[in-house]
This record gives sequence, C-alpha cells and structure tokens, in this order.
Amino acid sequence: DTGVSQNPRHKITKRGQNVTFRCDPISEHNRLYWYRQTLGQGPEFLTYFQNEAQLEKSRLLSDRFSAERPKGSFSTLEIQRTEQGDSAMYLCASSLALAGNYEQYFGPGTRLTVT
Amino acid sequence: KNQVEQSPQSLIILEGKNCTLQCNYTVSPFSNLRWYKQDTGRGPVSLTIMTFSENTKSNGRYTATLDADTKQSSLHITASQLSDSASYICVVSVGGAGGTSYGKLTFGQGTILTVHP
Repeated sequence: DTGVSQNPRHKITKRGQNVTFRCDPISEHNRLYWYRQTLGQGPEFLTYFQNEAQLEKSRLLSDRFSAERPKGSFSTLEIQRTEQGDSAMYLCASSLALAGNYEQYFGPGTRLTVT
Repeated sequence: KNQVEQSPQSLIILEGKNCTLQCNYTVSPFSNLRWYKQDTGRGPVSLTIMTFSENTKSNGRYTATLDADTKQSSLHITASQLSDSASYICVVSVGGAGGTSYGKLTFGQGTILTVHP
C-alpha cells in the first residue's frame, strides 16, 4: 500500500492521559499536514511540515499539542493531558510541493475518544 | 475571516437521479478550490481541483464549476449511484506570493448525500 497510513486507527483514553499518533506519508512527498475533524464538521488545519521544518501552526494547536517530523518522513502528533474536547478524528495528509501540484492525499485518520 | 459555506447540509436522492451541491467562499487570497468525497470513518478523497483560471472540471460523473468573481462553486453528480452516498466537502486553498499555494486548506462543513435505491 503506497498511500498515507496512520496509526492507531482508533484510540480510547482517559482524560489527563497523553496520546501519540503516527502518520506515514507517501514516500516521496515532502509536505505533511495534520487536521482535526469533529463530528458533522469539515477538517480544520492544525499544522504542516515541509521536510522536517514545521512551517505553520494553527491557533487551534494549544500548548498541549506538539507535532514532529524529525527526519522529514513520518510524523507524530502528541496530545498531553487530554481533555474531552480533544475527542475527534485526526487526519494526516501529504503532498509533493511542486509548481502547479496542489494535490493532498489523506490518510484514513485516527479517531480519538477521551472518556 | 476565511470561510467556506456549503448547502444544503444534507440531501437525499433516488438512485439514478442527478444532484447539485453548492459552495460559497470568502477565502483570500485564493489559490484553488477542491471538492473531496469522504466516506464515513475514512479520510477525504479528492474529486476535482480548480485554479483561478478554470471554471469547470469533470471527473467521471462529477462536474465541478467555479465562478471566481462571485466566489461560488458547485458540484454536479450525474446518474447517482448508491456508492455516491458520502459527505462532499468543498475546500479552498489559501494562495501565497507569486500565486503559489502554501497548502493550507479551509474546509466547508460538508454536504451529506444519501442515495436510496
């Protein structure tokens, strides 16, 4: 499978616990994005990387959230001290930053439930 | 504030019928507009991407239109099939200097389409 993969697909955690999600982009893609999607809403931008550099972060990304892409390949999104409001689908997407190439490919998402 | 609004919120049609979904946006500077299909519990899948200079693009039974002057887009689905049941999301990309796209997307809330046999 050469698409974007995300692990785990589902995560149930208790409030206050830390969680970490992983995204493996399409191998030659240099851009990687994280989005959050709550029920009945479209995804909201969280952050994106070009190679290992984190170029933009949304104001939605509070201090409890941190994302990394240490080697410019896979990325992790960590949420510390989870709150019930963090329950959502976390989507990862990747793209190849070339002139005229706008396509982002999404992974299947990680559904987080905070109890 | 950059916004993308879609209508209707939900739509039920019979198999074989056509339908049109609407999208209005206020994103600026505009780079491109996309329509995605999202099945329940899955990530979005791109249907069409249109830049400022394009006013229509087709992908099989899906045809998207773009009016950059009025900042409106539509997605027309022809001869609907049961597998078309999904959420259809209009997405606008913010433009950067020189017409480049930073890749930051603003999503609409989606239109939930249900196709009945």
